[in-house]
Amino acid sequence: SQQGEEDPQALSIQEGENATMNCSYKTSINNLQWYRQNSGRGLVHLILIRSNEREKHSGRLRVTLDTSKKSSSLLITASRAADTASYFCLPAAGAGGFKTIFGAGTRLFVKA
Amino acid sequence: NAGVTQTPKFQVLKTGQSMTLQCAQDMNHEYMSWYRQDPGMGLRLIHYSVGAGITDQGEVPNGYNVSRSTTEDFPLRLLSAAPSQTSVYFCASSYEEGTQPQHFGDGTRLSIL
Repeated sequence: SQQGEEDPQALSIQEGENATMNCSYKTSINNLQWYRQNSGRGLVHLILIRSNEREKHSGRLRVTLDTSKKSSSLLITASRAADTASYFCLPAAGAGGFKTIFGAGTRLFVKA
Repeated sequence: NAGVTQTPKFQVLKTGQSMTLQCAQDMNHEYMSWYRQDPGMGLRLIHYSVGAGITDQGEVPNGYNVSRSTTEDFPLRLLSAAPSQTSVYFCASSYEEGTQPQHFGDGTRLSIL
C-alpha cells in the first residue's frame, strides 16, 4: 500500500492568488493522482502524472513530480472562490498495487 | 452515463440494526472499492474488488461485508451497526486500480444512534 501526505493541512488565500500544495510519499510509484473534494461531495479526479513525466498541465492546474525526492506539487493559478475544497494526492504503485490509502488532504479556502 | 450511483444518500440506524449500502456503476469498470470518511480526515479503504466474484479487505474491514456478483454492483453490508460506524461512505470504481483514475459516488451519510 502507499499513502501520500499533503502539506499544508490548510491554506487560505485571496481570490486571484495562486495556491500551491505539496505531496510526499515513501515508495516507488507508477503514477500520482490529484483529487478535489467539495464539501459534502465525492472526490473528483483532477490530473494523473506518470512516473516518467515531470510536469503536467490542465487548465489552471499545474502538477510537478520529482521522483528522486518522492514529492509532487499542485499549483492552482488565479484561484477562484469555487476552488475552495479539499485536495488529496494519491501515489499509485500501478496495476496490482491495491489498498489505496488517501491522506488527510489540504483544505483550501479561497476568499472572495 | 450516470457514473457511480450510491443509495441511499442519508440513513439513520439504531445500534444493532443491519443494512446494505448500494453502489452501481455503468462504466464497465473492473475495480470497485468502498471507503469511509470521518470528519476532517481522508478516506480509509474498507473493501475492494478487482472483478466479479473477487473481493478483498482494505484497511478497516471489520464490521462490514461485501459481495460482487456482477461487474456493475458492489454492495456494502453493515452486519450489526455500531455508533463507531457513523461516517460518510463513498464507493469508487476504476478500469484498473493503481493505473487509472477512480470515479467516486456522492456518498451515503450514515448515522448510528
